Amino acid sequence: QSVLTQPPSVSGAPGQRVTISCTGSSSNIGAGYDVHWYQQLPGTAPKLLIYGNSNRPSGVPDRFSGSKSGTSASLAITGLQAEDEADYYCQSYDSSLSGNWVFGGGTKLTVL
Amino acid sequence: QVTLKESGPVLVKPTETLTLTCTVSGFSLSNARMGVSWIRQPPGKALEWLAHIFSNDEKSYSTSLKSRLTISKDTSKSQVVLTMTNMDPVDTATYYCARTLGGIVGAKDYWGQGTLVTVSS
Repeated sequence: QSVLTQPPSVSGAPGQRVTISCTGSSSNIGAGYDVHWYQQLPGTAPKLLIYGNSNRPSGVPDRFSGSKSGTSASLAITGLQAEDEADYYCQSYDSSLSGNWVFGGGTKLTVL
Repeated sequence: QVTLKESGPVLVKPTETLTLTCTVSGFSLSNARMGVSWIRQPPGKALEWLAHIFSNDEKSYSTSLKSRLTISKDTSKSQVVLTMTNMDPVDTATYYCARTLGGIVGAKDYWGQGTLVTVSS
């Protein structure tokens, strides 16, 4: 089981809005460490989607947004498109494990 | 243009030692703000961070795998090397290297394409 907890799957119709949660604890997200989100399209390497809780790298559409509160973070995707169908992972740093970067278990987004 | 590329064996036998090389371009491994991590992903499963090396050569390892891992770098060759001892079939995975910008709180902003390593006799 992953240190960061994500729902295994979410789905939505084209044009809809979906959110993916990432729940941690007081030793990672709750300790103030930034949360980053990655998108992994089938058969490809992960790609940075959101960094520093809510910042988008150049080239990432503004349909993607991130937020963080307490021991949790969320990724929101508005105006769902078929090309958004992918696995999404959150990632942070955990101070309780002698210094470890930690990932969520991943969420499979299905566009209906 | 920043790129990272993993290389190494596609097949290793149980109990053998795996050596993977990450060759980077577009940035220097001596840049104070940059480090490189190794991350793996078993087929159909989640990402798992393995090890990280900072620009000052400080190293960090996954607690659960620390006894089996060694990370090192050759700045002149722009390469980061990961060795994992005593390989087991459960270590079958795609292994990625990724650049981390900004220390421990930084994101992995560039990833290699990954290399699939199968452990089988």
